[in-house]
Amino acid sequence: DTEVTQTPKHLVMGMTNKKSLKCEQHMGHRAMYWYKQKAKKPPELMFVYSYEKLSINESVPSRFSPECPNSSLLNLHLHALQPEDSALYLCASSQDAGVGWTYEQYFGPGTRLTVT
Amino acid sequence: GQQLNQSPQSMFIQEGEDVSMNCTSSSIFNTWLWYKQDPGEGPVLLIALYKAGELTSNGRLTAQFGITRKDSFLNISASIPSDVGIYFCAGLGGSNYKLTFGKGTLLTVNP
Repeated sequence: DTEVTQTPKHLVMGMTNKKSLKCEQHMGHRAMYWYKQKAKKPPELMFVYSYEKLSINESVPSRFSPECPNSSLLNLHLHALQPEDSALYLCASSQDAGVGWTYEQYFGPGTRLTVT
Repeated sequence: GQQLNQSPQSMFIQEGEDVSMNCTSSSIFNTWLWYKQDPGEGPVLLIALYKAGELTSNGRLTAQFGITRKDSFLNISASIPSDVGIYFCAGLGGSNYKLTFGKGTLLTVNP
């Protein structure tokens, strides 16, 4: 089973709202990722968690706050977003992450976020 | 930073035709991945390549890891309408674990 699930599928929020995106995998993977994807562009890495610790933050604005409650779950907390943050947010997982490791990443279906 | 040049940018073909797309880089990768993405969905992993020179098939799909480790191609044989979508190549490894994506190939198949 190579399934990564994400909820919700769609989210519309105002610029003053607080919301959260959720991601779950049951493949025993120890690395989890958040990506942002604009239309007709490749995914852009935002955060990487390895063994439940934040290992990479790609200079993402603080209005995006990731959380990894356990090795199977990954959240992305959203607050005071801007309309330009509207995009498809993708979660992914892999067996591990680190220098010298090369493991393929499996993506979830994404959350389509619209900021009004 | 690392960049991948993916070509062609788009393709319009008739059902039944074969398709070929490729990615090249100035950097070496340890792993090449090919993904397909349908509108509004996440990328789906099609093929993973781990060794230089490796040729791997998945049904009608065939992909190869270039000998120089700087390129890869994906072939689709006997295309069908459900092959429509955006195909991304991605390289992994080197000095970091971050995926480097190509810009994608938009495939349209006319029935």
